[in-house]
Amino acid sequence: AQRVTQPEKLLSVFKGAPVELKCNYSYSGSPELFWYVQYSRQRLQLLLRHISRESIKGFTADLNKGETSFHLKKPFAQEEDSAMYYCALKAINTDKLIFGTGTRLQVFP
Amino acid sequence: EPEVTQTPSHQVTQMGQEVILRCVPISNHLYFYWYRQILGQKVEFLVSFYNNEISEKSEIFDDQFSVERPDGSNFTLKIRSTKLEDSAMYFCASSTGVNTEAFFGQGTRLTVV
Repeated sequence: AQRVTQPEKLLSVFKGAPVELKCNYSYSGSPELFWYVQYSRQRLQLLLRHISRESIKGFTADLNKGETSFHLKKPFAQEEDSAMYYCALKAINTDKLIFGTGTRLQVFP
Repeated sequence: EPEVTQTPSHQVTQMGQEVILRCVPISNHLYFYWYRQILGQKVEFLVSFYNNEISEKSEIFDDQFSVERPDGSNFTLKIRSTKLEDSAMYFCASSTGVNTEAFFGQGTRLTVV
């Protein structure tokens, strides 16, 4: 079965500290992985996808097939990064996203 | 910037009643989706819709649920006879293709009492 696990419900850091939001997945094939973000009172929006291999707002995520992980990282957190972050998986030949339970990131000044 | 819009933002209904949740996808998008999120749980896929028919649906999307694109702009989710456990945030999304970014609406909070 396809599954996405985000072990941390809440991650609190101070401004300027490094951030790593963990995501592990379970899927036998080659998945497509995404990070979605939801800022306070805003809609869910795509932050980045692994096939793009780009950095968005200073965030990066590398797909590690050996560890079945897609952790989201940022070297220096900013207060405006405070939001709910969802890792999601899309399997081959499907158009549905499978989401993790989300991690709330709180960045304190 | 074009957005997916959903109405209403909050709907309260009595158990057993029918509800219709409405969505206006982004105009040039061809793929449409409904997801839901029960409070405290993960966002779950319900159904995808393309070329005027359901392309994929989850186990949650049983006979009580239906989707429709009644005209060129709206995409609706109907729940025929609501149950308490249907209370959730319902998100509509749309995309230009299967492997392109899905844009989400702001959600409709459905409360069944």
